[in-house]
Amino acid sequence: GAVVSQHPSRVICKSGTSVKIECRSLDFQATTMFWYRQFPKKSLMLMATSNEGSKATYEQGVEKDKFLINHASLTLSTLTVTSAHPEDSSFYICSASGGFGANVLTFGAGSRLTVL
Amino acid sequence: DQQVKQNSPSLSVQEGRISILNCDYTNSMFDYFLWYKKYPAEGPTFLISISSIKDKNEDGRFTVFLNKSAKHLSLHIVPSQPGDSAVYFCAARTGGSNYKLTFGKGTLLTVNP
Repeated sequence: GAVVSQHPSRVICKSGTSVKIECRSLDFQATTMFWYRQFPKKSLMLMATSNEGSKATYEQGVEKDKFLINHASLTLSTLTVTSAHPEDSSFYICSASGGFGANVLTFGAGSRLTVL
Repeated sequence: DQQVKQNSPSLSVQEGRISILNCDYTNSMFDYFLWYKKYPAEGPTFLISISSIKDKNEDGRFTVFLNKSAKHLSLHIVPSQPGDSAVYFCAARTGGSNYKLTFGKGTLLTVNP
């Protein structure tokens, strides 16, 4: 149990286009999902907290208009990188609470975004 | 300001020996600590955790020790196996933070056959 599916695993896009990444909890309901970003040799940086049915809470320094988060159901959250630029190239990882227990986050496999 | 620190970016050990991964934190409000393991191009997978009311938690080959006075925790893997080679992230959570985790930068463990 406790599986989080993330899609796509890899995406390459042209500068100026938008890219949507999906995060699904497959066998449990996740009222809260988290979106992280990882730069090479860096830690996982929390971007935003996504709550089902309400607006996402963004961390300081994260542009909410650039990184649109939608959490329309208890099993799906999406992150849309709008008007992508090469500096947005990164590894994006979603996670959801539940599954292993109240204190543990289950992570998706991540999405590698490359903006040309 | 990094609240969770893993000062060793890498660690190399021989198969069968003990691996000790260290983590320090600065926020005294952290009440729950977790270790995640991550392979390249994959998301982190949960390994083991410990509540701040305990000083030790053991699960098979993995043991986590917590020293609250020193704000230090460590992960012991014994015996180490080549399949344990991965990046290990230390993470911490404050009470009532709705599962929001703060991660360290990770330590790359290499277990040599």
